[in-house]
Amino acid sequence: SQQGEEDPQALSIQEGENATMNCSYKTSINNLQWYRQNSGRGLVHLILIRSNEREKHSGRLRVTLDTSKKSSSLLITASRAADTASYFCATDDDDYKLSFGAGTTVTVRA
Amino acid sequence: DGGITQSPKYLFRKEGQNVTLSCEQNLNHDAMYWYRQDPGQGLRLIYYSQIVNDFQKGDIAEGYSVSREKKESFPLTVTSAQKNPTAFYLCASSAIQGLNEQFFGPGTRLTVL
Repeated sequence: SQQGEEDPQALSIQEGENATMNCSYKTSINNLQWYRQNSGRGLVHLILIRSNEREKHSGRLRVTLDTSKKSSSLLITASRAADTASYFCATDDDDYKLSFGAGTTVTVRA
Repeated sequence: DGGITQSPKYLFRKEGQNVTLSCEQNLNHDAMYWYRQDPGQGLRLIYYSQIVNDFQKGDIAEGYSVSREKKESFPLTVTSAQKNPTAFYLCASSAIQGLNEQFFGPGTRLTVL
């Protein structure tokens, strides 16, 4: 079952701008992960945030997690054309399974 | 060069035929997964396996079958019982110990003619 839901469904920004997308989920989690998928390709793991963490950074990526609101956000700073992709959040509930949301499609215009 | 491979990249099937999608990993991961992705949608879990000779149904297992005879390999068979098999199929693997970061293959696009 899909637990995570991303918002917005699609986002179009100018190169150099920041992109923010959100993920909401329903039940308690062990951790939350973000993945990127370029068109027609497999997913690539970007960043993982544990349930006891509130913020994490990796390069131009910043992830926040609010377990009281059951939500997470992914910020991509200073976007580039190569950031054009779909971004998925995935929650790790238990039993080594991940539940993926429907994704946010990001288009970075040159 | 460690990674996870899927073959073929594109597959065409006539209605009523069974087809098998290959997934191999050399990451020494215990767990392997099969997902289905339809256009504009997220991933739905078909089957997963945490150990050789054992596997569990995911959310949409009907019309699919798997085997896990070797740690490195987790083939998926799309049977004729699957009513709408045209989709993008993704295989992934992860270590059991750890934070369950999953590594994905490049995918197989299956089209039913």
